[in-house]
Order: sequence, then C-alpha cells, then structure tokens
Amino acid sequence: GAGVSQSPSNKVTEKGKDVELRCDPISGHTALYWYRQSLGQGLEFLIYFQGNSAPDKSGLPSDRFSAERTGGSVSTLTIQRTQQEDSAVYLCASSLGGSNEKLFFGSGTQLSVL
Amino acid sequence: AQSVTQLGSHVSVSEGALVLLRCNYSSSVPPYLFWYVQYPNQGLQLLLKYTSAATLVKGINGFEAEFKKSETSFHLTKPSAHMSDAAEYFCAVSAGGYQKVTFGTGTKLQVIP
Repeated sequence: GAGVSQSPSNKVTEKGKDVELRCDPISGHTALYWYRQSLGQGLEFLIYFQGNSAPDKSGLPSDRFSAERTGGSVSTLTIQRTQQEDSAVYLCASSLGGSNEKLFFGSGTQLSVL
Repeated sequence: AQSVTQLGSHVSVSEGALVLLRCNYSSSVPPYLFWYVQYPNQGLQLLLKYTSAATLVKGINGFEAEFKKSETSFHLTKPSAHMSDAAEYFCAVSAGGYQKVTFGTGTKLQVIP
C-alpha cells in the first residue's frame, strides 16, 4: 500500500478482555516498530522487528503484551487481560532498515479499556 | 543505551517570533538524531534528521537544527513562527545500525496571533 496501515482505528474493550492490533507496513520495509502514545508520556517504545525477528523487546510493559511479525510484513500486537492503564494510542512505524532511516508512521489505534 | 530529554512540554510564541525547541541527548556512540512533527489529527512525519554529514541540518517548512556534540544538544529552530507551525514536536535518537529509535516526551508549540 501507499502508507502504513493500522487497524482498527478505534477499539473499545472491557477490562480483562484480550485485544489484537494490526499493522501493515509499507511494502519492502524491513524494520517495523510499535510505540505507545499517552498524554504527557510522549512515544513509549514497545518493540522493534527487523524482518520477522525482534532484536529489541525491551519496551513491552509486562508479559500481557506480545507481538509477532509474519512473512516480514504484517505485525500483530496482542494485549491480554487488558487493564485501564493500557488505554492509549498504539502507533506502528516502518522503515527501510537501519535506524538512521526515516520512520513512516501509521495513524494509530486508539485503545480504550473500560 | 540512548535517550533524549525535551525541555518544556509546552512552548508559546507569537506569530513572527523565533521558535526554539530544546532537545538534549545521551548516547554511548555517535548518534543519529531526528525531529518529528505531529500536526493536530495527523500522523507523525519527519521534519529533519542528523546523520553526521553536516552539523547544521535544514528540514521542511523552514525549520533547522544544529548538532552540538560538546553540549549534547540538537535544538530545533525557526526564525519566524507561522500559525501553521502549531503542532507537537518530538526529538528522537538512535545509535544507528539496527538499534531502536527512542523518542522524547514531546513539546507542544502554540503560536499566538
């Protein structure tokens, strides 16, 4: 596609439910990032993929969070047993590879946990 | 490990005045530095980046930033603010290679007519 696509754009869920967020990067981009944006917190790094492997998972807040990437393309971020503090905008970005490359961001998924 | 600190979560300037948004970085290796901008209801986009070619980097919309190693700074400036510059600005750092990109907490710029 022309840009990074994220779905859903909005997700409202009940506390304790599991959610899956999807990111479809720009074709040919080998690097894929997940960030979380909360008011006053800036962009919090979650996880980074190079191809299908994740060299850096250091930002995942707890073991309720996991992510995978298949075929070097689409990535899914899964949050199990959601909590209210998980409410935020989850942003995905992709780039051509090295971390000196420009990041292209999707529009994000607004997650609200009630 | 690398990090960035953005001084001032909110900055207000008058239209036509100088814009100065501050960013200090910490990195154990020569860094790559970036400024991204998020306009209201839009996604983040790259404003400019430093990759060691030149210390003064020019970006889109008249913005520029200067890499100062002695001060570990990468402040963003624009000589004359325009109403359309109102947005949130994020500084970011990377150690290069296949290392992650780390963002600061952002600075919201308000332009007063």
